[in-house]
Amino acid sequence: QSALTQPASVSGSPGQSITISCTGTSSDIGTYNLVSWYQQYPGKAPKVIISEVSKWSSGVSNRFSGSKSGNTASLTISRLQAEDEADYFCCSYAGDKTFLLGGGTKLTVL
Amino acid sequence: QVTLKESGPVLVRPTETLTLTCTVSGFSLYTSRMVVSWIRQPPGKALEWLAHIFAHDEKSYSASLRNRLTISKDTSKSQVVLTMSNMDPVDTATYYCARIDMATIVVDSWGQGILVTV
Repeated sequence: QSALTQPASVSGSPGQSITISCTGTSSDIGTYNLVSWYQQYPGKAPKVIISEVSKWSSGVSNRFSGSKSGNTASLTISRLQAEDEADYFCCSYAGDKTFLLGGGTKLTVL
Repeated sequence: QVTLKESGPVLVRPTETLTLTCTVSGFSLYTSRMVVSWIRQPPGKALEWLAHIFAHDEKSYSASLRNRLTISKDTSKSQVVLTMSNMDPVDTATYYCARIDMATIVVDSWGQGILVTV
């Protein structure tokens, strides 16, 4: 099982939108609508922001949105804010009661 | 309130066996749709799922580490234990225990993590 593929880093200016991709295979993302996204600040445990591809977690801003096309899931953050600077990673069910994690993407707000 | 807390050694020598304990509160290890997982993160690197255990004691392991891992639970103590044999410096990482809702595959609660150095 290989990790899901994410870009190592993305950046954007305040007010802009950015998208982080998460690429898997037809055995995981391509088959199951069970993709979640997490935000992690340095030294902190991750926090779920999106579940089941596009459902917001409680208390999460609607500036965050999730989608999926084929074997790739995406997280879009609109109206970028300084507080969004963090690491983001994806997670997908991979069948047989196992799951895969993405490599993580560092978001820099310029 | 759901909490998970990892405990164990912070320093192990190469070839030794690591034993980590996750003590949970705020939910029961009997809850059928929840599993407790172990996930690790080497410094500056990606998260890696290691193993999890279901309420009915079914276990799943990462294919790449299956031969070195054992997960078990003591429901009476609300504890989940992970052992990893033959530790190597590349196993240096923060080890997290976490609760996963298997209906949605959401990791909804995380422990604070424990940094283990080999």
